[in-house]
Amino acid sequence: GAVVSQHPSWVICKSGTSVKIECRSLDFQATTMFWYRQFPKQSLMLMATSNEGSKATYEQGVEKDKFLINHASLTLSTLTVTSAHPEDSSFYICSARTGGLNTEAFFGQGTRLTVV
Amino acid sequence: DAKTTQPPSMDCAEGRAANLPCNHSTISGNEYVYWYRQIHSQGPQYIIHGLKNNETNEMASLIITEDRKSSTLILPHATLRDTAVYYCIVRSGNTPLVFGKGTRLSVIA
Repeated sequence: GAVVSQHPSWVICKSGTSVKIECRSLDFQATTMFWYRQFPKQSLMLMATSNEGSKATYEQGVEKDKFLINHASLTLSTLTVTSAHPEDSSFYICSARTGGLNTEAFFGQGTRLTVV
Repeated sequence: DAKTTQPPSMDCAEGRAANLPCNHSTISGNEYVYWYRQIHSQGPQYIIHGLKNNETNEMASLIITEDRKSSTLILPHATLRDTAVYYCIVRSGNTPLVFGKGTRLSVIA
């Protein structure tokens, strides 16, 4: 299957700082990328959907000013957690797919964020 | 909200077939059934998907009932590396994948 790469795999940051997570589709062009987060022992929760060249669509309850998403090219989307707090500590996962209907989405390996 | 129901956990002996059920009684005509799995602390891995016909690939087989209200994912010869949480998801078109709680499969030596 197609490869989606996230960077970094893990990051520790101080409370109040910002952290950027990158998501790249390595061997295909991703017209749409999705960002999820997962708290311990819970399932993945969709945060937002981003289409290349347009603003992201955020799920209800997700603060768009706190979680900045940029999808500037067909192979790269970034998620910036601004002014991070300990409650933002979570496993963040991106997903990407091509524009075809009813095609599978591929996931990155995830980024473990710990805010201290 | 997830539109599927799965048992929370299952055990399977190594080398035996693992049969993971999923109920999706409210599935719409244009919705596909997708299966993903998540090994601890990794991103989900795509397994297989189908609309109404049974599907098979190198990883698994997907059996969908004729009324499409349920399906079964079959891992023909489970190994310890198949221990993971398995998610059954129904989705149409380009909508995002919405994850439920999945089934935690434990393969036992």
